[in-house]
Amino acid sequence: SQQGEEDPQALSIQEGENATMNCSYKTSINNLQWYRQNSGRGLVHLILIRSNEREKHSGRLRVTLDTSKKSSSLLITASRAADTASYFCATVLVGGGATNKLIFGTGTLLAVQP
Amino acid sequence: KAGVTQTPRYLIKTRGQQVTLSCSPISGHRSVSWYQQTPGQGLQFLFEYFSETQRNKGNFPGRFSGRQFSNSRSEMNVSTLELGDSALYLCASSPGTRTTNEQFFGPGTRLTVL
Repeated sequence: SQQGEEDPQALSIQEGENATMNCSYKTSINNLQWYRQNSGRGLVHLILIRSNEREKHSGRLRVTLDTSKKSSSLLITASRAADTASYFCATVLVGGGATNKLIFGTGTLLAVQP
Repeated sequence: KAGVTQTPRYLIKTRGQQVTLSCSPISGHRSVSWYQQTPGQGLQFLFEYFSETQRNKGNFPGRFSGRQFSNSRSEMNVSTLELGDSALYLCASSPGTRTTNEQFFGPGTRLTVL
């Protein structure tokens, strides 16, 4: 079963606007990662935030993590048409031992209109 | 460094057949994970191999199996194919033992079962 639920399921914005996606998860995590997938292709890693971190930035990306609410958000600023893709959050659980097992959320489909 | 490669990229099989998919990780990566992506179930973890040993396994029937070779290349096998096995199968590699590693995904193998 999937660990995370993402909200919204789909988002359509204009170029230059900001896009915010939210992810909620169920159990304690070691870290949370965000990935992008273009049209049924492989996933590309965007950013990783550890359970003891609250906010992280990478270029136009800003990720926040609230472990008390078991939620994370991904903000993409000044969106471009090339940002059109599906975005997934993925968690690595605490207590899983040495593993790279990712549990993915349901994904948000972002469409950026030129 | 070359990225993660998967072969074949597309595959069409009929029910009851078996299939073998191959994944070559990034050079130096010792962890290889497999995921199944379908419209209905999303992205689901199949298994992870590290140094030729299965380190973690998802909730899939025994028809799904895998292995890893001494050069870290991995194969997964699905026997007695069912229509529901039609999916995008993604392979991901990661450097080592830490659970805070990002995953590097290949382009996937799209399997269609008729």
